[in-house]
Amino acid sequence: EPEVTQTPSHQVTQMGQEVILRCVPISNHLYFYWYRQILGQKVEFLVSFYNNEISEKSEIFDDQFSVERPDGSNFTLKIRSTKLEDSAMYFCASSEDRGAKNIQYFGAGTRLSVL
Amino acid sequence: QQQVKQSPQSLIVQKGGISIINCAYENTAFDYFPWYQQFPGKGPALLIAIRPDVSEKKEGRFTISFNKSAKQFSLHIMDSQPGDSATYFCAAEDSTSYGKLTFGQGTILTVHP
Repeated sequence: EPEVTQTPSHQVTQMGQEVILRCVPISNHLYFYWYRQILGQKVEFLVSFYNNEISEKSEIFDDQFSVERPDGSNFTLKIRSTKLEDSAMYFCASSEDRGAKNIQYFGAGTRLSVL
Repeated sequence: QQQVKQSPQSLIVQKGGISIINCAYENTAFDYFPWYQQFPGKGPALLIAIRPDVSEKKEGRFTISFNKSAKQFSLHIMDSQPGDSATYFCAAEDSTSYGKLTFGQGTILTVHP
């Protein structure tokens, strides 16, 4: 069964450093998403991406965050200067469409630890 | 107004029992209500979903009940099994948005053999 893959599974970084989280969405999917889950809290929407541009973003997704689809398969989330409060599990998701066909398939996540 | 409130936070059920998880929302623009199941070390996976034009949807042992006037929906797991032990998230989406899912806080379900 096709799946969304995320790398790395765990990323440790120092505060102020840049990190790039990588995702390979399901190949025929056109919509891509990032969510995050701070330990013990709910899953929160960060951003949706379609046709090489951001469709919607939350208030969490400030200027420190950016997303990119650098080639036909990868979808990345960059955090420019990490803060302690960025420590969380980051999930990538993809869907074939939005609306009636909007089944979002999630990857296993990248645990980001900012020290 | 964008929140989805989920309860209980944790639930312990005996094998064969019924597990019930409840969610409530305020945003009347929400029109798609999925439930996700998450096992440790895995991402959330869609379990079952409902739209507000029906009051109930059943798939195997899993049933969503939906009360549009009360703005509440719930997941019922019949004949609960130890393999159902996982974290369950309700979610909601306004389909005019670009796929933004608003999640509840999650319920950790433990089914004892």
